Amino acid sequence: GAGVSQSPSNKVTEKGKDVELRCDPISGHTALYWYRQSLGQGLEFLIYFQGNSAPDKSGLPSDRFSAERTGGSVSTLTIQRTQQEDSAVYLCASSQSGTTNEQFFGPGTRLTVL
Amino acid sequence: AQSVAQPEDQVNVAEGNPLTVKCTYSVSGNPYLFWYVQYPNRGLQFLLKYITGDNLVKGSYGFEAEFNKSQTSFHLKKPSALVSDSALYFCAVRDLDTGRRALTFGSGTRLQVQP
Repeated sequence: GAGVSQSPSNKVTEKGKDVELRCDPISGHTALYWYRQSLGQGLEFLIYFQGNSAPDKSGLPSDRFSAERTGGSVSTLTIQRTQQEDSAVYLCASSQSGTTNEQFFGPGTRLTVL
Repeated sequence: AQSVAQPEDQVNVAEGNPLTVKCTYSVSGNPYLFWYVQYPNRGLQFLLKYITGDNLVKGSYGFEAEFNKSQTSFHLKKPSALVSDSALYFCAVRDLDTGRRALTFGSGTRLQVQP
């Protein structure tokens, strides 16, 4: 079946602009995660959605970052007033609802802030 | 708090030789451990996981990992490396005893297999 998809694959923006990144999880997966991978770094957790529960936003680096998940499926990560340090690859993952299920990752969106 | 250490930025091995990529972890409760692989310009692919049971876990592409509770390690191994195994490998951990689902990743180890 189809995997996790993300769009756009690449995004170049100017400092101060807002950007939206989209994630389509695997059908039937109730859990959705956003991570950020900066150059030469590991993955940094941003936010987690599980069904209708309140999201775990503990990884969001600032109030410029927000995310929504509409209808329990597609998610959008929004970065307002982008800064150069926001440049990274943003990865989305989804998993089934069980506590021990592995996460499946999308190809990522490479964000470059000029 | 949970953390993962991958002490080697890069591992070089000749094709056909055994390989080991090291990982140590720290959690306050019981660990749930993963290995993922990332090929250039692609997302992470799941290799294997450890929850409980046999300390030797077998995964995709002939990889296996050994869980050692006393050493808090979860090293990735393969008996005979292939050039196509060259990629970036990430170890990750979750604390099963907390409600937090997010994974904590190591900084990654680049594996280079030479022909």
